[in-house]
Amino acid sequence: SYVLTQPPAVSVAPGQTARISCGGDHIGLKSVHWYQQRPGQAPVLVVYDDGDRPSGIPERFSGSNSGNTATLTIGRVEAGDEADYYCHVWDRTSEHVLGSGTKVTVL
Amino acid sequence: EVQLVQSGAEVKKPGESLKISCKGSGYTFTSYWIAWVRQMPGKGLEWMGTIYGGDSDIKYSPSFHGHVAFSVDKSTSTAYLQFTGLKASDTAIYYCARPSNYDGRHAFDIWGQGTQVTVSS
Repeated sequence: SYVLTQPPAVSVAPGQTARISCGGDHIGLKSVHWYQQRPGQAPVLVVYDDGDRPSGIPERFSGSNSGNTATLTIGRVEAGDEADYYCHVWDRTSEHVLGSGTKVTVL
Repeated sequence: EVQLVQSGAEVKKPGESLKISCKGSGYTFTSYWIAWVRQMPGKGLEWMGTIYGGDSDIKYSPSFHGHVAFSVDKSTSTAYLQFTGLKASDTAIYYCARPSNYDGRHAFDIWGQGTQVTVSS
């Protein structure tokens, strides 16, 4: 089965840049999507197809994908960005696969 | 507005059955799939499977196959997640979500608010 690996936690100071990785075998050949889940809330799609943003998502959220690693980048981090972030791909064998999640803490 | 609205929190005893719902609105329900996602307490998101709103085609995750059942009612644009023989380990929040394209293989662009299921004797 296909596995996505995320770091458990990332810490970042306000105004700085947070980078969250998502590792998978040849993930660069797949479309990667990212969700933000604030405490007590349902997940929200923040990036789809590696780097596109749904309407209403700030430009501070961007994504990239190459080789065996996809990355969600959050620029000019704000206190409201503190949340869990999950990557997601569709795989021919495993169907929908979600990463284990990364907790972003704003210092 | 496109939205998915789920049924309310449930408290059940081990061995009981349960059916929770997810009602779609603001879009053509029969043209999209619905995914079910589990989140156990303090844990991450797990894909349980997907069901097509148009003809009930179903894909179960191997981790959940045999323990849960999906269904849809096209007349009310509602998807259902059914459990038989609940266990304490079924205690979780269950989300429905809509894959954003017709083949059900894409990002989940719309999520329900979640249904808390608690199984305790």
